[in-house]
Amino acid sequence: DGGITQSPKYLFRKEGQNVTLSCEQNLNHDAMYWYRQDPGQGLRLIYYSQIVNDFQKGDIAEGYSVSREKKESFPLTVTSAQKNPTAFYLCASSLAGVLGEQFFGPGTRLTVL
Amino acid sequence: EDQVTQSPEALRLQEGESSSLNCSYTVSGLRGLFWYRQDPGKGPEFLFTLYSAGEEKEKERLKATLTKKESFLHITAPKPEDSATYLCAVQATSGNTPLVFGKGTRLSVIA
Repeated sequence: DGGITQSPKYLFRKEGQNVTLSCEQNLNHDAMYWYRQDPGQGLRLIYYSQIVNDFQKGDIAEGYSVSREKKESFPLTVTSAQKNPTAFYLCASSLAGVLGEQFFGPGTRLTVL
Repeated sequence: EDQVTQSPEALRLQEGESSSLNCSYTVSGLRGLFWYRQDPGKGPEFLFTLYSAGEEKEKERLKATLTKKESFLHITAPKPEDSATYLCAVQATSGNTPLVFGKGTRLSVIA
């Protein structure tokens, strides 16, 4: 089955720690995205990547980092510089670069203890 | 700046009571408008893409329409399983920019 997988589903982090969220897709999509969703809020774009080894900052990139070494994978690292990291994180991908509909993974809920 | 405003924030319907959700947008040329459904604790599920004013798309009890300033998601005779948050997003023709999302409408359908 083609789709987008995110792991883990739940993640707990102590203050001051970096954590990495995994996102993998087997849809052969070119573009991948990371969003943050807070209660009652829409999706806010953190980073996106249109091709391997290239990525752009979104609206709220501070305190986050990404890499795109393979077409299928787009991991997100939440660094200790992110002051309020507790949120629901969603990964998405789209076929034709940033054009057209995006398809989402199941999400990772990160909680800072 | 591209913007999407969805209303109402929350909507409570009785089963079978039809209604509409609104998505107003301002964008420097519309490439596409997208509707998604999101269940609690899950990723959004793609529903429709609309490209030009006057276009309509249907899926089961849902119908999406588009004008030059807004889109409506009409829900006919809803069932409890239609309860979810519905998200609207737009993409501009200018540049190579990702989608801009609204905050969503939280729909509850009561049996």
